[in-house]
Amino acid sequence: DSGVTQTPKHLITATGQRVTLRCSPRSGDLSVYWYQQSLDQGLQFLIQYYNGEERAKGNILERFSAQQFPDLHSELNLSSLELGDSALYFCASSSDGDTQYFGPGTRLTVL
Amino acid sequence: GNSVTQMEGPVTLSEEAFLTINCTYTATGYPSLFWYVQYPGEGLQLLLKATKADDKGSNKGFEATYRKETTSFHLEKGSVQVSDSAVYFCALSDRTGGFKTIFGAGTRLFVKA
Repeated sequence: DSGVTQTPKHLITATGQRVTLRCSPRSGDLSVYWYQQSLDQGLQFLIQYYNGEERAKGNILERFSAQQFPDLHSELNLSSLELGDSALYFCASSSDGDTQYFGPGTRLTVL
Repeated sequence: GNSVTQMEGPVTLSEEAFLTINCTYTATGYPSLFWYVQYPGEGLQLLLKATKADDKGSNKGFEATYRKETTSFHLEKGSVQVSDSAVYFCALSDRTGGFKTIFGAGTRLFVKA
């Protein structure tokens, strides 16, 4: 158990809809990262927050947005969903910016 | 920019065979290097890390040595078990790049009994 929690575990929705994924980092970790893992296993970095502020941005679509709240939990919002957005979404947290601790992931299925 | 290249899979081995998964990197600064492992149905977890040249990371029988001269961080294990079947990701974190971690594409390992 990494200490990072993600909800929900599974999400099934339709094209055009909007969903919110939630992540609670390990106690004391200020950095939160979001990744998308496609079926062919590739891991794409989406965005990083540090203590409430955006720190780095990766290949995140304009339809996606994220934020980190004062209690350090983070949410990833995905809107106007397309079939190709079906994937595993992982959150990770870090205290030192080096080692990341991953949550169990949210599996999103867009029908 | 920074990048990580690791050998394509899948890699299929028999139990007790020797494992090598190659990983090379490109970085402008002095990165930390990592191997993460993802077991079926789970998130990634740190397997081992090395933070400077010639450091050797080791855990659960796996080893990798940070080779600056060849920009490599190959993962090795002397005798694999069926329970080692997983996807292995090489990664680097470069503080001069703002702590962004770059992951390789992952290498799937199958170990047969």
